[in-house]
Amino acid sequence: TQLLEQSPQFLSIQEGENLTVYCNSSSVFSSLQWYRQEPGEGPVLLVTVVTGGEVKKLKRLTFQFGDARKDSSLHITAAQPGDTGLYLCAGVNAGKSTFGDGTTLTVKP
Amino acid sequence: DSGVTQTPKHLITATGQRVTLRCSPRSGDLSVYWYQQSLDQGLQFLIQYYNGEERAKGNILERFSAQQFPDLHSELNLSSLELGDSALYFCASSGVGTSSYNEQFFGPGTRLTVL
Repeated sequence: TQLLEQSPQFLSIQEGENLTVYCNSSSVFSSLQWYRQEPGEGPVLLVTVVTGGEVKKLKRLTFQFGDARKDSSLHITAAQPGDTGLYLCAGVNAGKSTFGDGTTLTVKP
Repeated sequence: DSGVTQTPKHLITATGQRVTLRCSPRSGDLSVYWYQQSLDQGLQFLIQYYNGEERAKGNILERFSAQQFPDLHSELNLSSLELGDSALYFCASSGVGTSSYNEQFFGPGTRLTVL
């Protein structure tokens, strides 16, 4: 069974602060995705990373895939209240996805 | 808007009853996934269908079943409902069943409340 551990489980910060959340596994994945889910809505795909060491930027969000393709991080610069939500990572192998339990981020104005 | 539709949006029923949740995938997507999300928990994968056939099974109870029809829409049937089945149920679709990226597009969910 491939498990993905996300940390921290909960994070509460003030607007303008920077933060990093992590997604770790002992398994190697062919690709990894990050999703954001707002309360009462479905998750929305943010990014897919494929190559070990790959870094992708989406405005204030920076995603990195570990060199060994076992872990990933999401860094948010100057967080805003609109960034509030549940951040889920999903590792993919052989067409099958494994989701982590997520990090719940609250950004206070 | 992800292009994935789910009906109904809300469902309230009693213990012991049976309900059917419906999902229409994005146009052209062959894979459909079902997930359960209880309060303050992550997504629990239930089952995946690809072009009408079961592709993968997760932690799906025997009281639950699903199918995908020739027009690619899918239904999740939940029977002998218990209080603990109250949750958000999400459907997702993806473009190509054998794609290594497996990017999934989620519907808005069905909130099931069992009283």
